[in-house]
Amino acid sequence: DAKTTQPTSMDCAEGRAANLPCNHSTISGNEYVYWYRQIHSQGPQYIIHGLKNNETNEMASLIITEDRKSSTLILPHATLRDTAVYYCIVKVTGNQFYFGTGTSLTVIP
Amino acid sequence: DTAVSQTPKYLVTQMGNDKSIKCEQNLGHDTMYWYKQDSKKFLKIMFSYNNKELIINETVPNRFSPKSPDKAHLNLHINSLELGDSAVYFCASSQDLDRGTDTQYFGPGTRLTVL
Repeated sequence: DAKTTQPTSMDCAEGRAANLPCNHSTISGNEYVYWYRQIHSQGPQYIIHGLKNNETNEMASLIITEDRKSSTLILPHATLRDTAVYYCIVKVTGNQFYFGTGTSLTVIP
Repeated sequence: DTAVSQTPKYLVTQMGNDKSIKCEQNLGHDTMYWYKQDSKKFLKIMFSYNNKELIINETVPNRFSPKSPDKAHLNLHINSLELGDSAVYFCASSQDLDRGTDTQYFGPGTRLTVL
């Protein structure tokens, strides 16, 4: 599975959009982009995933560039409860999830 | 209803003991997993299991063994506990891979402390 690169940490003001980038320049055509988050030692929580098209659900939006080499997770109105470590994972269906170090997002009041 | 549940939430025990952690999922999923998160917060797969196949991460000591009484349960047995086994253990589940998606849903974790 392709490797991902994420910033170590980010801050976001409460109520503003949080944009979390992920670089996956070696992604192959059958690899999905998944986003999970982990809030303070709780179990990782699924957020969203996509293959080529942009995706949106009740939690977030996923924007994948046309060449698929990078993506951005958007939390439209960040709240304090969104403070967590966010993991971007690229994988083929059937392969294991590899959780890297992720981005530690702090939402500031 | 909790989708993936684990018991106990906390487990404190002495070196050399044998212990088990239980996991149950009510999602109707076919595949279950165990992960270990160490003190450095790295989350690593230990096992994946469905009724067809057990896949073991080669770095997992054979003191660890998953046991599945039925499709909804995957328990983790640990023999001869060592200090280095102290970690948070997460159970997860996903639908059958043949359905084209394997999004995993995680339990709340079991914090194991070995003294």
